[in-house]
Amino acid sequence: EAEVAQSPRYKITEKSQAVAFWCDPISGHATLYWYRQILGQGPELLVQFQDESVVDDSQLPKDRFSAERLKGVDSTLKIQPAELGDSAMYLCASSLAGRSYNEQFFGPGTRLTVL
Amino acid sequence: QKEVEQNSGPLSVPEGAIASLNCTYSDRGSQSFFWYRQYSGKSPELIMSIYSNGDKEDGRFTAQLNKASQYVSLLIRDSQPSDSATYLCAGETGGFKTIFGAGTRLFVKA
Repeated sequence: EAEVAQSPRYKITEKSQAVAFWCDPISGHATLYWYRQILGQGPELLVQFQDESVVDDSQLPKDRFSAERLKGVDSTLKIQPAELGDSAMYLCASSLAGRSYNEQFFGPGTRLTVL
Repeated sequence: QKEVEQNSGPLSVPEGAIASLNCTYSDRGSQSFFWYRQYSGKSPELIMSIYSNGDKEDGRFTAQLNKASQYVSLLIRDSQPSDSATYLCAGETGGFKTIFGAGTRLFVKA
């Protein structure tokens, strides 16, 4: 069964360090999403790609976060420098296309702890 | 601010009972709605999607949508302890952005 892959599964870092997360969507899925989920809350969209283009990054803290999907397949989300408040689960999801009736499928997530 | 609202729970039901989970949304332009199940420490898993007014059934799960009342619900029949999880309601706005609720925690007592 096709799945979204993410790595690492867990990351512990100290504040002010740089961290990077990787995501490989389900084959053929043109739309890729990065979400952040804080304990007790629902996922919050950070950035949405359609192929290699960013279509929504309105909630991405651009002073420290960056995301890319250079070849329109896998993607990297980077935080530099990490802050204590960045501790959360970072989820990647993909869907066939960023249109209506758009079912998204999630990867296992990366649990980030910033010390 | 477009929102999806859910009662955080916990909702506790005995094994074999029907669990009813509810969700309201603010964006009248929303057309698509989704229910995800999330076990503790895991990522969300899609259970149901619904796009039209009325009921949609899939096994023990029934999703209900009422666009006039801006209301979505999920019924779980014959609840099992393995159904204990957080259930996330999500709505797709008119701009194709998906907004998630905070989730309802469900406990099914054996």
